[in-house]
Amino acid sequence: EAEVAQSPRYKITEKSQAVAFWCDPISGHATLYWYRQILGQGPELLVQFQDESVVDDSQLPKDRFSAERLKGVDSTLKIQPAELGDSAMYLCASSLLAGGPLAKNIQYFGAGTRLSVL
Amino acid sequence: QQQVKQSPQSLIVQKGGISIINCAYENTAFDYFPWYQQFPGKGPALLIAIRPDVSEKKEGRFTISFNKSAKQFSLHIMDSQPGDSATYFCAASTAVRARQLTFGSGTQLTVLP
Repeated sequence: EAEVAQSPRYKITEKSQAVAFWCDPISGHATLYWYRQILGQGPELLVQFQDESVVDDSQLPKDRFSAERLKGVDSTLKIQPAELGDSAMYLCASSLLAGGPLAKNIQYFGAGTRLSVL
Repeated sequence: QQQVKQSPQSLIVQKGGISIINCAYENTAFDYFPWYQQFPGKGPALLIAIRPDVSEKKEGRFTISFNKSAKQFSLHIMDSQPGDSATYFCAASTAVRARQLTFGSGTQLTVLP
């Protein structure tokens, strides 16, 4: 069964350092999402891509966070500099489309990257 | 208006019992309501979903009940099993916002053997 791949699974870093997370969506999925999940809370959307274009990054703290999906396939989320409050699980999800029949909008999640900022 | 409120925060039931998790929303543009199941160390996985044109959807032991007028929906897990122990999230989306999911805060379910 196809899965969304994320790496690393765990990342420990010190405050003010730079970190990067990688996501490889299910093959053929045009839409890619990055979510942040704080312990004990539901995931919150950071950025949505359709192919290589950003659909919505209104919740992305752009002073320190950046995301790219250069070839419309895999994606990288970067934080620079990391702050203590960034400690969370970073989840990537993908779907065939964002729009049209609901069956094509089902989001499949990766296992996430657990970030700890010391 | 984008919030989805979920309760309870945690739930403990005996094996064979019924687990009920409730969610409420404000945004009437929401037209798709999925439930996700998340095990420790894993990402959320779609469990069951409903559209507001039906009041109930059942898949095996899992049932969603939907009350459009009250803007509430709930997940019922019949004959709960220890393997159902996980965190459950309700969510909602609308085509107006490119099918982005707005999640509830989650319910940690523990089913005792």
